[in-house]
Amino acid sequence: AQSVTQPDIHITVSEGASLELRCNYSYGATPYLFWYVQSPGQGLQLLLKYFSGDTLVQGIKGFEAEFKRSQSSFNLRKPSVHWSDAAEYFCAVGAGSNYQLIWGAGTKLIIKP
Amino acid sequence: SQTIHQWPATLVQPVGSPLSLECTVEGTSNPNLYWYRQAAGRGLQLLFYSVGIGQISSEVPQNLSASRPQDRQFILSSKKLLLSDSGFYLCACPGGPGTGELFFGEGSRLTVL
Repeated sequence: AQSVTQPDIHITVSEGASLELRCNYSYGATPYLFWYVQSPGQGLQLLLKYFSGDTLVQGIKGFEAEFKRSQSSFNLRKPSVHWSDAAEYFCAVGAGSNYQLIWGAGTKLIIKP
Repeated sequence: SQTIHQWPATLVQPVGSPLSLECTVEGTSNPNLYWYRQAAGRGLQLLFYSVGIGQISSEVPQNLSASRPQDRQFILSSKKLLLSDSGFYLCACPGGPGTGELFFGEGSRLTVL
């Protein structure tokens, strides 16, 4: 069955430290992969996406993600986090037409001053 | 680009009362529209999607219903709310042909007491 796993429910990092949020997927075909960010009480915003081509994709707000087919992973990274990065991050996989995405449960990022 | 408005932003309702959440879209015509629910600490669950006026597909059996009376209007309803209907409801539409992206509204937080 198609699924997306974000193994970390919460992650706490110090401001200025590097960040990696994990995402693993199970999907029968070449996936479309997405990372979205949700600030508290708000809707979701697309950070970046992978469709094809270069497996390292750059997104907004200084984020990047790397697609590793052999590991079925699409981990999100940022070299130096800012307090404004505190939010919940969702990984999603494209599942056919009508943009029906399969979503991970989310990882809440907490920034220590 | 698309803009999605959701109303109301916050709602507290007693068990057994009716519900109507409204979503309106600007900046696009004949979009696919989606209702998602986000329960506390969980990912997004697709509830309904609509490819056009009067066309609704339900993804999960539940106490809720959806309607699309106009091209840019998508309404989520219930005749009698349950405690389990509490959550954060998000309306979304595609970002554009071939983008794979979803644009989200700001959400409606429903608390059923």
